[in-house]
Amino acid sequence: GAGVSQTPSNKVTEKGKYVELRCDPISGHTALYWYRQSLGQGPEFLIYFQGTGAADDSGLPNDRFFAVRPEGSVSTLKIQRTERGDSAVYLCASSLLAGGTGELFFGEGSRLTVL
Amino acid sequence: GDSVTQMEGPVTLSEEAFLTINCTYTATGYPSLFWYVQYPGEGLQLLLKATKADDKGSNKGFEATYRKETTSFHLEKGSVQVSDSAVYFCALSPRGGFQKLVFGTGTRLLVSP
Repeated sequence: GAGVSQTPSNKVTEKGKYVELRCDPISGHTALYWYRQSLGQGPEFLIYFQGTGAADDSGLPNDRFFAVRPEGSVSTLKIQRTERGDSAVYLCASSLLAGGTGELFFGEGSRLTVL
Repeated sequence: GDSVTQMEGPVTLSEEAFLTINCTYTATGYPSLFWYVQYPGEGLQLLLKATKADDKGSNKGFEATYRKETTSFHLEKGSVQVSDSAVYFCALSPRGGFQKLVFGTGTRLLVSP
């Protein structure tokens, strides 16, 4: 597709379970970003990749959260031992280069609900 | 740390009314400033940006001017349309660091015919 694709669009899980959220960026974009948007809040930065490496993971809230991008394209955000407070919309974005014009292209998000 | 404050919504207007959505920021140095928009059922998309003081960003009839003296970046449009109904987010990035955007909480705009 032409835009950033995120799957699943909705995920309901139980407290304590493991969850994976996938992001497929725009083809050719080398930079990929994860943000989290809680209800009534703006998106909050989690992590960004330049190529395969995590260039800045300072926004990950704790060690239950981990993200990978093994081939420099698709990325997976992994959440272990989910908690109710992890419920949010997880947004992925990509850009042609890190920095660049400052324009990030966002997907529609994956809504995670932890019961 | 860096932060963005924008007016709470929803903002409810009639078609062709004048729009202002206030945004102020706190940042070290001179950040770049952005307005992103989220239409129903779609992802966030960049509406306009300004990278230095006194710059004016504009797009689709929307404008915002980077005011360093008041640390503001208010969004304006002279005549709104029903199709402008969306959630608008003000955001900043530190100088030279577009990677880590700091967003405001968003303002929902509802335009009625």
